Amino acid sequence: DVKVTQSSRYLVKRTGEKVFLECVQDMDHENMFWYRQDPGLGLRLIYFSYDVKMKEKGDIPEGYSVSREKKERFSLILESASTNQTSMYLCASSLGQLEHLFFGPGTRLTVL
Amino acid sequence: GENVEQHPSTLSVQEGDSAVIKCTYSDSASNYFPWYKQELGKGPQLIIDIRSNVGEKKDQRIAVTLNKTAKHFSLHITETQPEDSAVYFCAALDNTGKLIFGQGTTLQVKP
Repeated sequence: DVKVTQSSRYLVKRTGEKVFLECVQDMDHENMFWYRQDPGLGLRLIYFSYDVKMKEKGDIPEGYSVSREKKERFSLILESASTNQTSMYLCASSLGQLEHLFFGPGTRLTVL
Repeated sequence: GENVEQHPSTLSVQEGDSAVIKCTYSDSASNYFPWYKQELGKGPQLIIDIRSNVGEKKDQRIAVTLNKTAKHFSLHITETQPEDSAVYFCAALDNTGKLIFGQGTTLQVKP
């Protein structure tokens, strides 16, 4: 079974802090994604990566950056956290671009 | 770009009844439509998908139908059980290879 793990289930940070959300997958998937989930808005794509050291902007990249130094690890970085980034963050991976996504359990981030 | 609208936002049914969730999409070039189920405290999980070369697909109590002309697709759950209670998301693959998700439907199955 594919397993996607996220470093924290819950995180509380202060406005202006730099925040790192880590995601690791154990099935050698090439593609990794970061989504944000908000009530009434569904899942919105922040960034994705189809290969190591490669990254592409999704639909809402503003205020975020990512890092993929190793195939199995994809990090989401909030350079200066703001209250409007309070949300559930979901990491996902897939084998091919049209293959289905395997999601991690999510990190609920609160920015005070 | 692709836009996916999902209805209803909440749905409450009695155990044993059927549940139907509907989605519409905007890009006629979209050809892949998955459905994900998110249980409380977990990430979404793929439950069924359909490609544009078929009109219907079934897997036990769940089925998905696709109407390409009208650009809408639906999830049907028959004989609902309490464990079907979850948030359901539809999605469509856009022309850049990204999945665009609907807003989600919270399904409650009352025993």
